[in-house]
Amino acid sequence: AQTVTQSQPEMSVQEAETVTLSCTYDTSENNYYLFWYKQPPSRQMILVIRQEAYKQQNATENRFSVNFQKAAKSFSLKISDSQLGDTAMYFCAFMKQWGQGAQKLVFGQGTRLTINP
Amino acid sequence: DVKVTQSSRYLVKRTGEKVFLECVQDMDHENMFWYRQDPGLGLRLIYFSYDVKMKEKGDIPEGYSVSREKKERFSLILESASTNQTSMYLCASSNRETRPPEQFFGPGTRLTVL
Repeated sequence: AQTVTQSQPEMSVQEAETVTLSCTYDTSENNYYLFWYKQPPSRQMILVIRQEAYKQQNATENRFSVNFQKAAKSFSLKISDSQLGDTAMYFCAFMKQWGQGAQKLVFGQGTRLTINP
Repeated sequence: DVKVTQSSRYLVKRTGEKVFLECVQDMDHENMFWYRQDPGLGLRLIYFSYDVKMKEKGDIPEGYSVSREKKERFSLILESASTNQTSMYLCASSNRETRPPEQFFGPGTRLTVL
């Protein structure tokens, strides 16, 4: 079974700073996807960024980028030039690419990120 | 835009009541999911469905059942609500053919069982 661990329950930074959220996972699969989801206070969960395990290049989406280290089973999220609207709960998630259990997400415990003015 | 809606944002029920949580998506997605979200535990999958009338147990199905009679609607049923089912419930849907797949979430239902 796959597991996802987010070791930082809460983080807090000043606006415009850069922040990195950690995520590690455990799997015996070679092909899979990794995701970061954002859940703002009282609002719907939305996808921030995703990575396909076969791609060596790290995914980027505007101010959001990941550091994907497949051998270390690490998938951290970097938020550059943080904004007040980045305040949210962030979840790291894993999905098998093929076979039994594919299409299902396995989530980490979440990191509550607060951006201070 | 994909829209996933849930019937209630907040719900308060009594122990032993039968509870229905409804989820509707408008993008013709094959897959639909029910999660519960608890502090420190993240989201855990209760049940999912990959087609009409099809269902599979997730990681924590005990005390729950589901129904999918139409493609756009996925219902979660608590047969006899208990206080340990007090939680946030999130519904999601996804297109089975999209690669990589993305799950779209509803706003959640915060259920309190007294």
